[in-house]
Amino acid sequence: DSGVTQTPKHLITATGQRVTLRCSPRSGDLSVYWYQQSLDQGLQFLIQYYNGEERAKGNILERFSAQQFPDLHSELNLSSLELGDSALYFCASSVGLAGGQDTQYFGPGTRLTVL
Amino acid sequence: DQQVKQNSPSLSVQEGRISILNCDYTNSMFDYFLWYKKYPAEGPTFLISISSIKDKNEDGRFTVFLNKSAKHLSLHIVPSQPGDSAVYFCAASVDAGNNRKLIWGLGTSLAVNP
Repeated sequence: DSGVTQTPKHLITATGQRVTLRCSPRSGDLSVYWYQQSLDQGLQFLIQYYNGEERAKGNILERFSAQQFPDLHSELNLSSLELGDSALYFCASSVGLAGGQDTQYFGPGTRLTVL
Repeated sequence: DQQVKQNSPSLSVQEGRISILNCDYTNSMFDYFLWYKKYPAEGPTFLISISSIKDKNEDGRFTVFLNKSAKHLSLHIVPSQPGDSAVYFCAASVDAGNNRKLIWGLGTSLAVNP
């Protein structure tokens, strides 16, 4: 158990809909990262927050947005969903800003299926 | 442009033998490298890392070697065990101004056969 929790575990929805994925970081971790893993693909970094502020953006679509709340939990909002958005979405957390040397601890992921 | 490449999508090894997973990178500014392991239906877990100022780091059965001139690193698992069967991701870190950026490879699926 990494200490990072993600809800829901599975999500099935239809094209055009909007969903929200939730992540609670490990106690004491200030950074939260979101990743997407599609079938046969590696981990695609989406976005990073540190103590409530956006710090880095990766390959995140404009239809996607995220935020980190004062209690440090984070939500990833996916809207106007398309079939290609079906993937595993992982949240990770780390103590500080140094996303490289600072070990990232991953949650179990949310499997999103868009029908 | 894939800056971190794991050219072997899969690898199969006999239990007790050595597993060697390879990773190549293109950006000479990467200064820290990490390996993560991922089991199905779970998130990746950190395995081992190496700083660019070193050429070897060892942790039990796991050793990572870094060849900076060749921009190549490898993960050795000796001896391999069936429980090592997982997807292994190589990641490289670079200073991105007020933050650090972590670039991931696509992973290598290791199967250790009893």
